[in-house]
Amino acid sequence: GAVVSQHPSWVICKSGTSVKIECRSLDFQATTMFWYRQFPKQSLMLMATSNEGSKATYEQGVEKDKFLINHASLTLSTLTVTSAHPEDSSFYICSALGQGMNYEQYFGPGTRLTVT
Amino acid sequence: AQSVTQPDIHITVSEGASLELRCNYSYGATPYLFWYVQSPGQGLQLLLKYFSGDTLVQGIKGFEAEFKRSQSSFNLRKPSVHWSDAAEYFCAVEGNRDDKIIFGKGTRLHILP
Repeated sequence: GAVVSQHPSWVICKSGTSVKIECRSLDFQATTMFWYRQFPKQSLMLMATSNEGSKATYEQGVEKDKFLINHASLTLSTLTVTSAHPEDSSFYICSALGQGMNYEQYFGPGTRLTVT
Repeated sequence: AQSVTQPDIHITVSEGASLELRCNYSYGATPYLFWYVQSPGQGLQLLLKYFSGDTLVQGIKGFEAEFKRSQSSFNLRKPSVHWSDAAEYFCAVEGNRDDKIIFGKGTRLHILP
C-alpha cells in the first residue's frame, strides 16, 4: 500500500523558534496533502489543504502566517510552525491523496511537537 | 454543516467478545464514510470505507461496518475482539466531495484479558 512518512517523528524546541515538519509520499505522487492537528486524547482537526504548486487553503481559525505550508513537489509538503509557543505543542499529522486513489487518504505517522 | 458523532468515549470488552462502535453523521446527502484505527504512537490506518453500493462493508482485521441511511449511522463491528485491537477508533466523513475528511472525537477501545 501507499506509504507516507513524516520527519521528524518528534521535536522539542524553545519558545520563539521555528520548526519545520516534512511530509513525504514515498511511492506515489500526492496531488493533495492535508495537515491535521491532534491534541492529547482528542480528534484530528484539519488545519489546511495543500495542492502541489499552489497556495495552501487554511481552515477557519488557523493562522496562515504562523503555520506556513509549502507543497513544492508531488511528493513533499512541509509545515513550518513559526515563532512557536507552548500552546502550539501538539501532534501534527499529514495525509496524502493521489490521483485515482479513490478518495483514500494515506496518513503519516505524525510528529510530536513540544515547545518549552 | 457536516459532523460526526461517536457517542462512546471509552468502551471496554473482554477478549473474544463481540464489539460494536457507534457512529452517526449529519449531512444532507450520502457522504463517503470511513473508519480509521490509531494505535498508540502510530499513524492512522484505514479499516474500511463506504462510498456506495452494498451497505455492509468488509474491512481489514475482521472488521465490518453497516451503513444505515435511515439512522444516519455507520457502526463498526467485529464478532470477536483480540487484545491487539485495543486502540483509538475514529469514524470520519467526507461529504462535500472536496476531499476534506471530518473526524469524530474517537472511541478508545480497551480489551480485558
